[in-house]
Amino acid sequence: EDKVVQSPLSLVVHEGDTVTLNCSYEVTNFRSLLWYKQEKKAPTFLFMLTSSGIEKKSGRLSSILDKKELFSILNITATQTGDSAVYLCPIRGGSEKLVFGKGTKLTVNP
Amino acid sequence: GAGVSQSPRYKVAKRGQDVALRCDPISGHVSLFWYQQALGQGPEFLTYFQNEAQLDKSGLPSDRFFAERPEGSVSTLKIQRTQQEDSAVYLCASSTGLAGRTDTQYFGPGTRLTVL
Repeated sequence: EDKVVQSPLSLVVHEGDTVTLNCSYEVTNFRSLLWYKQEKKAPTFLFMLTSSGIEKKSGRLSSILDKKELFSILNITATQTGDSAVYLCPIRGGSEKLVFGKGTKLTVNP
Repeated sequence: GAGVSQSPRYKVAKRGQDVALRCDPISGHVSLFWYQQALGQGPEFLTYFQNEAQLDKSGLPSDRFFAERPEGSVSTLKIQRTQQEDSAVYLCASSTGLAGRTDTQYFGPGTRLTVL
């Protein structure tokens, strides 16, 4: 059964800190790993990763995938209070559905 | 529309009542998904449509849950005889449905269902 484990489950930092969120997975027929930011309710799409070693970057956020070791990381540099959210990294395997972990709740204090 | 919309945003039901939750996907999106998110958990898959065809309903927790998308656009998730354990946020997502690895699901704001 496909599975995602995120760590840490919760993280509190101060503005300006750099954080790394971890996502490990088990999947048959891997197709993609996605990162979403969830504030309040709607998960907002950040990145889609399909190949190992290729960094995706958007402003202060970046992510990379390691298909050999079955994990991905999301880095956020110079954190801001607006980065406070739950970060989700679902995987897409042999079917169309996304399989989620519990997410990492990031709190950035001023 | 510009994004996925869902209604109502909040629903309070008494135990035993039937509820209907609506999802309007992004215009032209072929695929539509429903997920259930309990408090403090990640979303869990319920069901998936491609156009009007329900191709996967393996995540529906019981026969009290029913989803439809009769014209291949708007979808309705119906829960009959609601129970307290049905309390959750119900998220709808849509995607283009293009074959391959890179089809991205875009989520709506969800409906928070509280069953008293």
